[in-house]
Amino acid sequence: AQSVSQHNHHVILSEAASLELGCNYSYGGTVNLFWYVQYPGQHLQLLLKYFSGDPLVKGIKGFEAEFIKSKFSFNLRKPSVQWSDTAEYFCAVAAYSSASKIIFGSGTRLSIRP
Amino acid sequence: NAGVTQTPKFRVLKTGQSMTLLCAQDMNHEYMYWYRQDPGMGLRLIHYSVGEGTTAKGEVPDGYNVSRLKKQNFLLGLESAAPSQTSVYFCASRTAGQGTTNEKLFFGSGTQLSVL
Repeated sequence: AQSVSQHNHHVILSEAASLELGCNYSYGGTVNLFWYVQYPGQHLQLLLKYFSGDPLVKGIKGFEAEFIKSKFSFNLRKPSVQWSDTAEYFCAVAAYSSASKIIFGSGTRLSIRP
Repeated sequence: NAGVTQTPKFRVLKTGQSMTLLCAQDMNHEYMYWYRQDPGMGLRLIHYSVGEGTTAKGEVPDGYNVSRLKKQNFLLGLESAAPSQTSVYFCASRTAGQGTTNEKLFFGSGTQLSVL
């Protein structure tokens, strides 16, 4: 069965700093990978997703993620964060052979200092 | 389109009481999910369904039952509520298929459940 680890529980940055949030998954086969964001008081929204092809995936709001198969990682990046990026970020994985089952990581809370 | 609608939005139960959470989607999605969200633990999959009349266990199914009698509805039941089931419950749905551009989850707004 697939699983996801997000080791950063809470990240605090100043505006304009660069961001990288870690995500590692465990599964031996082909996977689909996702990053979701949850702004305060709202439900989850999809930031970006990887299915196949170019391992560098660009999403909404200037976010991108890189799939590194050898490291089982799918880290989220943004060159310059804004105060409005304050939210909780979740990585998720779906095993390609069982794509109906989508498992989430524990989340990383991002706080941006103005 | 309403998308994914969850009812109720809030509920307080006493230990041992039962209740059913309703999730309804109007997007004709095949797949539906129930997750619980707890601080520091992210979203954990309780049960899911890949079509009308089918259900499957997720990561934390114990203490919950589900039914998908109609394609648009996915019910989550707590037969005998326990304080450990205090959580925010999210329903989600999506189209079937793998690796399609439509493969994203649509979430409901959540149900905050407290079990005393």
